[in-house]
Order: sequence, then C-alpha cells, then structure tokens
Amino acid sequence: NAGVTQTPKFRVLKTGQSMTLLCAQDMNHEYMYWYRQDPGMGLRLIHYSVGEGTTAKGEVPDGYNVSRLKKQNFLLGLESAAPSQTSVYFCASSPQGDGDEQFFGPGTRLTVL
Amino acid sequence: AQRVTQPEKLLSVFKGAPVELKCNYSYSGSPELFWYVQYSRQRLQLLLRHISRESIKGFTADLNKGETSFHLKKPFAQEEDSAMYYCALLNYGQNFVFGPGTRLSVLP
Repeated sequence: NAGVTQTPKFRVLKTGQSMTLLCAQDMNHEYMYWYRQDPGMGLRLIHYSVGEGTTAKGEVPDGYNVSRLKKQNFLLGLESAAPSQTSVYFCASSPQGDGDEQFFGPGTRLTVL
Repeated sequence: AQRVTQPEKLLSVFKGAPVELKCNYSYSGSPELFWYVQYSRQRLQLLLRHISRESIKGFTADLNKGETSFHLKKPFAQEEDSAMYYCALLNYGQNFVFGPGTRLSVLP
C-alpha cells in the first residue's frame, strides 16, 4: 500500500496562475484533509471531506477550492495564486473522524512568485 | 475558540537528559489531545493520544485539565528523538487544531 500520496512534490507558480494539487489514498478512508504548514504556525486546516462527494471549510479556506469526486482522491485547487499561498501543503486521511489517527502525505512545497 | 499553544519553538537537550515538551490548550468541552511527530525527511505521524494512556518510544503525556496542559515527557532523551513535535486538539467538528510545533534537538 502506498498510503497517502501527493502530486506534485514541488511547484513554482507566478501570481495569478492556477493549479491543482492531487491527494490520493489507497486505505479506503472516509475522511480526507488539506492542511498548510507555515513557519511558527503549525498546520492549519484548509478544507476537509467526510466522504465521497462532500467537502467542508476548515480554518483557512479563502483562495482555495476542493473536490472529492472519488473516495480515494481529494483535490485542492488554487484559482489565482497569491504569494501568501506560498507554503507546504499536506494531505491527510483517516478511517472516520472521531479522533482516528490521521495518515499524512509527504507534502507539496509551493512557491508563488 | 479552540487553541493549542506550544511555547518553545526550539528545545535542545543533551542525550540522556530528561525532556519535556510543553503544550497548553483552550477548549470549552472535554478535550481529546494528541502528539504528532515529524522526523527528518519523514511524514508527520501520530506519536500518542491521551485516551490510550500509553507510552510510545519512552514518551508519555498526561492530560491536566486544571492546568489545561498536555506536556510530552521522556526521562532519557535519545539522539533519534530529534524531530518536530506537534500537539493537537480534536475539536467539536471532529477536526484537529494543531499547535505551532516544537523542534527538539538532542545533542550527543
């Protein structure tokens, strides 16, 4: 099992460009999450999903959109990238909510110039 | 609002010394707290959770509701414990709120 994978690993964008980050999990988990990690701020939840076809906003959703068309995939979109979105993005999944352990992907380092 | 604080950005100790990574939280309900760890070039992973009351890799953490703390302790630090440690709180929405993290450096 690959666990949680993220594509791409690195990306550099110019301000205003768009892109999609892909998260895939092969553990049949119901819940999936997108976080951003910034120095001194820990991980902050962007959006999450409690099952196929569902999405919900987290702590810092502005400037991002997500989709969960298939249970195993959770996509994070940036429609018009801004320098403030320079960060490391982590995807995670868990079997259910209720405090289940979250399994994290390796991260995507995004730089917006 | 739910909040997790970790006052130390960096904590350096010598091998064999005791280590305590501090975590404080604010939460109006009955909290569920966790410690996650990220070793160099590895993924973030669960270290322990307070409800299981277990010791993992020699680490323990006790929930102190009076002091709203969940400090992580180990009596004798090892070099392989060097990592980034995050305290996390499970909130009403069944989402995690993470602290800013503490980088532990265990010196030889």
